[in-house]
Amino acid sequence: EAQVTQNPRYLITVTGKKLTVTCSQNMNHEYMSWYRQDPGLGLRQIYYSMNVEVTDKGDVPEGYKVSRKEKRNFPLILESPSPNQTSLYFCASSWDKTGVGNSPLHFGNGTRLTVT
Amino acid sequence: GNSVTQMEGPVTLSEEAFLTINCTYTATGYPSLFWYVQYPGEGLQLLLKATKADDKGSNKGFEATYRKETTSFHLEKGSVQVSDSAVYFCALSGSGGYQKVTFGIGTKLQVIP
Repeated sequence: EAQVTQNPRYLITVTGKKLTVTCSQNMNHEYMSWYRQDPGLGLRQIYYSMNVEVTDKGDVPEGYKVSRKEKRNFPLILESPSPNQTSLYFCASSWDKTGVGNSPLHFGNGTRLTVT
Repeated sequence: GNSVTQMEGPVTLSEEAFLTINCTYTATGYPSLFWYVQYPGEGLQLLLKATKADDKGSNKGFEATYRKETTSFHLEKGSVQVSDSAVYFCALSGSGGYQKVTFGIGTKLQVIP
C-alpha cells in the first residue's frame, strides 16, 4: 500500500531534550515536506526537499533541522525543543518536485508533539 | 505573496443539508486550486482540484468551480452525511517553477444525524 509513515504518533518531551520525528514514503517520490498545524493558523511549511541531499527552508524553519540522505526518508530534528514547538506535525510527499500543484500531496497521519 | 482565506468554523449541519464552504485566494498568475480533507486522526488527503479558470473539480459528491473573476473556489455538496464530518482545507499552488502549496486555516464541518 502506498503510504507516508510517521513515527511516533504521540510524543511528550521536556524543553531542551533533542528529538527526531521520522518520515518514510514508499512511493519513490522525490519531493518531501514537513508542516506544522496549529489552531487558527492552518498548515505552515517548515522544510522541504526536492531530491536527495537537497533541502530548503519553508515558512517557519526556526528551531528545526532536516536531512535527506536517501529518497524514502526525511526526518525532522528538533535539537532543543521549546514549548512553542508544541504542535501537530505532518510529513508529505509528491512525485512532482517542480510544480507540486500538479500532483497531490500524500500526507502521513501526523505526530502530536507536546513540549513541557 | 500567495494567500488563501476561509472561515475556521465549526460549521454544523444536519444530515442531508446543503453545504457551502467559502474560499477566496490571492495569487499572481494562474494558480492551481485544491480542496483537501482531514478526517479525525488522519493526515490530509486530496478531495478535488482545478487547474484553470472555469474548471470544475468534483469528487464524492463535492464540487468546486475555479472563478478567476471573483478569485474564489467555494466547496459545495448537495446533501451531506455524518461521514463527511472533517476539516476541509482550501489550498493553492502558484504557476511557474517550484511553487509550494499554500493552505487556508481549515474549516471544521460537523454533520449531526
